[in-house]
Amino acid sequence: GAGVSQTPSNKVTEKGKYVELRCDPISGHTALYWYRQSLGQGPEFLIYFQGTGAADDSGLPNDRFFAVRPEGSVSTLKIQRTERGDSAVYLCASSLGSPGNNEQFFGPGTRLTVL
Amino acid sequence: KQEVTQIPAALSVPEGENLVLNCSFTDSAIYNLQWFRQDPGKGLTSLLLIQSSQREQTSGRLNASLDKSSGRSTLYIAASQPGDSATYLCAVRAGSYQLTFGKGTKLSVIP
Repeated sequence: GAGVSQTPSNKVTEKGKYVELRCDPISGHTALYWYRQSLGQGPEFLIYFQGTGAADDSGLPNDRFFAVRPEGSVSTLKIQRTERGDSAVYLCASSLGSPGNNEQFFGPGTRLTVL
Repeated sequence: KQEVTQIPAALSVPEGENLVLNCSFTDSAIYNLQWFRQDPGKGLTSLLLIQSSQREQTSGRLNASLDKSSGRSTLYIAASQPGDSATYLCAVRAGSYQLTFGKGTKLSVIP
């Protein structure tokens, strides 16, 4: 596709449930990033993939959060035992991943609401 | 830890005015700086990327400058239009590939 796509666009779940959020990066982009944006704040980094491996997961808030990218393209962010504080917009971005060019292109986000 | 601050938090201007948005960062050891636009309920649209070796970048009515040594960047918008109304976010890339964002400046251009 032409840009980064994310599904679903909105997700409402109940406290304690498990959710999966999907990201399709721009074709050919080897680097993929997940960010979380709370209301009135800038996005905060969660995890970065280079190819299939998580090169930096230092932003994941706790072990309820996990992300995979098994074939180096599509990525899934998984949240276990959701809490109300997990409510936010989850943004995915991709870039060419070369050291000299890190321009990141963002998807429209998934708005997660935990009731 | 890198911190990014954007001033003002909100700005309202009449159509046609030129305006400047400010961004400051605490650690000058950055690789690049990126300006984004975010419309309500939408994702981020990349506007300009300035590499650490560059002083400015221009795209249409937008001009972004970077003073790495003082930890500052500005986004200049010429001849503002109502369609420019959005939140503008500044982000820096430091040691790793991740971006550190400011909270944004919400711009309203009044017709």
